[in-house]
Amino acid sequence: EVQLVQSGAEVKKPGESLKISCQGSGYSFTSYWIAWVRQMPGEGLEWMGTIYPGDSHTTYSPSFQGQVTISADKSTSTASLQWSGLKASDTAMYYCVRVNRETVYYLDSWGQGTLVTVSS
Amino acid sequence: DIQMTQSPSSLSASVGDRVTITCRASQTINRNLNWYQQKPGKAPQLLIHGVFNLQSGVPSRFSGTGSGTDFTLTISSLQPEDFATYYCQQSYGTSFTFGPGTKVDIK
Repeated sequence: EVQLVQSGAEVKKPGESLKISCQGSGYSFTSYWIAWVRQMPGEGLEWMGTIYPGDSHTTYSPSFQGQVTISADKSTSTASLQWSGLKASDTAMYYCVRVNRETVYYLDSWGQGTLVTVSS
Repeated sequence: DIQMTQSPSSLSASVGDRVTITCRASQTINRNLNWYQQKPGKAPQLLIHGVFNLQSGVPSRFSGTGSGTDFTLTISSLQPEDFATYYCQQSYGTSFTFGPGTKVDIK
């Protein structure tokens, strides 16, 4: 069974750094892209970026380029999302998702989400 | 960037109703269109990929049509467990843009 297990909820202050993680299991972690998706409170889904763990090739949404860093560690089958200086507006639920492909790319297995709260 | 719109933004319906949600892309995306369902407090789940391909385990009352820029998700007979928010998402090129969502609630 494909599983993506994310790290637990975080409460941080503005300006602090943070790295959240997503561990994949039940499939070849290096053979599928992983995407990160943000959902702000009461709002819709926003694609942030995607990484291919096989070679760490990364694509960012223009809205998130320079704001976050996506990385992956093949040895632990873990993808990560990090911030160097959090803002209150980063308060959101963050999902990692496996990207599958048949005729098109689609997001087929979702992590449970990591809630990040940034407040002074 | 490809922009996605959905209509309506919300709708109220009764169990047994036929429900249709539309999604439009700002440029042609061929058949690179997927649909997701999200219930409150839960992660989204894939319903349909590539316009009309039902994800394993998804009931056959869900169906998708369309191509180019205009797409439709239909629920043929709404069930109590279908009350949720539905998102379309394009995967053309190297970006994945979501529509704003359509909330389906109980009339």
